[in-house]
Amino acid sequence: DVKVTQSSRYLVKRTGEKVFLECVQDMDHENMFWYRQDPGLGLRLIYFSYDVKMKEKGDIPEGYSVSREKKERFSLILESASTNQTSMYLCASSFWTERGETQYFGPGTRLLVL
Amino acid sequence: ELKVEQNPLFLSMQEGKNYTIYCNYSTTSDRLYWYRQDPGKSLESLFVLLSNGAVKQEGRLMASLDTKARLSTLHITAAVHDLSATYFCAVDPGNQFYFGTGTSLTVIP
Repeated sequence: DVKVTQSSRYLVKRTGEKVFLECVQDMDHENMFWYRQDPGLGLRLIYFSYDVKMKEKGDIPEGYSVSREKKERFSLILESASTNQTSMYLCASSFWTERGETQYFGPGTRLLVL
Repeated sequence: ELKVEQNPLFLSMQEGKNYTIYCNYSTTSDRLYWYRQDPGKSLESLFVLLSNGAVKQEGRLMASLDTKARLSTLHITAAVHDLSATYFCAVDPGNQFYFGTGTSLTVIP
């Protein structure tokens, strides 16, 4: 069974703190993604990675960084958390086949920045 | 800027009724995906549509894709309460996924 796990379901942090969100997948997928989900805005891509040590900016990378040291793990880092980063963060992984690319999502981390 | 628009954003429908959710997108894409999200939970893949004219059906849901019109539809037949969820479409023009804003569906008895 496909599995994507995220380190925390709920997180409360203070403005200015450094925040680490971890994502692990056990499917040996090459591709991993970080999204944030906000009401009325759908999912917006923050960063993605097609290989170990590789990263690409998505649509809203400002204020975030990522790390992919191992194939199964993709970390999202908020260098200095701000209140406008309060959101639901979703990690996903995928791989390409001739049948397209289905993304498998983790359960999400709901982050509140005070 | 690539846009993926869904309508309606909110849908309240009675059990047993039929309805269609629309997904319009602004770029060329032969691949379109539908996902379902239950409250407080993550996204679950429903359909993968890979070519013009593709049609997929699962239970009371049927999805279709018209790449020339840049339109996908998700048709609900004889709705039941279990279908209450938020439905997202996403297009993949080749570099990344772009998601719609979602349609929140509530099926009422």
